[in-house]
Amino acid sequence: EDKVVQSPLSLVVHEGDTVTLNCSYEVTNFRSLLWYKQEKKAPTFLFMLTSSGIEKKSGRLSSILDKKELFSILNITATQTGDSAVYLCAAGSSASKIIFGSGTRLSIRP
Amino acid sequence: DSGVTQTPKHLITATGQRVTLRCSPRSGDLSVYWYQQSLDQGLQFLIQYYNGEERAKGNILERFSAQQFPDLHSELNLSSLELGDSALYFCASSVGLAASNIQYFGAGTRLSVL
Repeated sequence: EDKVVQSPLSLVVHEGDTVTLNCSYEVTNFRSLLWYKQEKKAPTFLFMLTSSGIEKKSGRLSSILDKKELFSILNITATQTGDSAVYLCAAGSSASKIIFGSGTRLSIRP
Repeated sequence: DSGVTQTPKHLITATGQRVTLRCSPRSGDLSVYWYQQSLDQGLQFLIQYYNGEERAKGNILERFSAQQFPDLHSELNLSSLELGDSALYFCASSVGLAASNIQYFGAGTRLSVL
């Protein structure tokens, strides 16, 4: 059965810390790995990864995919209170299927 | 603002009733996806439509159905509602057919079944 597992389920850190969020997947006919940030309501897109080993960066956030080991990580450096959110990882397949993980709830303390 | 519009924002109804949730995708997007998010669960994919046709089904109950109209807006119909159907229902849209494309989410409809 296809699945996406995120860890940790929740994380509390202090402002300025660096965090690493993990996502492992088992998806038939894997096509892409996506990261979303969900604050109060709608998830918003962060990254889409399709190739192994190529880091994508956006400001203090970066992400990389390992298609051999079937996982991805999302790094956030110099965290700010505005980074507090649930971070969702999703794996898409060529069969028009997408599976979301249960998310990592990140809380940043000032 | 993602450009995806969902109405209503909140819906309160009773068990056994039927409701319709509405979604207007971003301009130019042909795919619409519906998701259910309960308190103790992540985003559960329900169904995808592309240019008016059903393309993929996830964990959608038989009591639920959806359609996409010629103007590309979509409706999710939930019938014989149960307490466990209380959840946040999201609509998302994307340009292409593949579910692995970037999806843009609406603000959701919060359904409370009493």
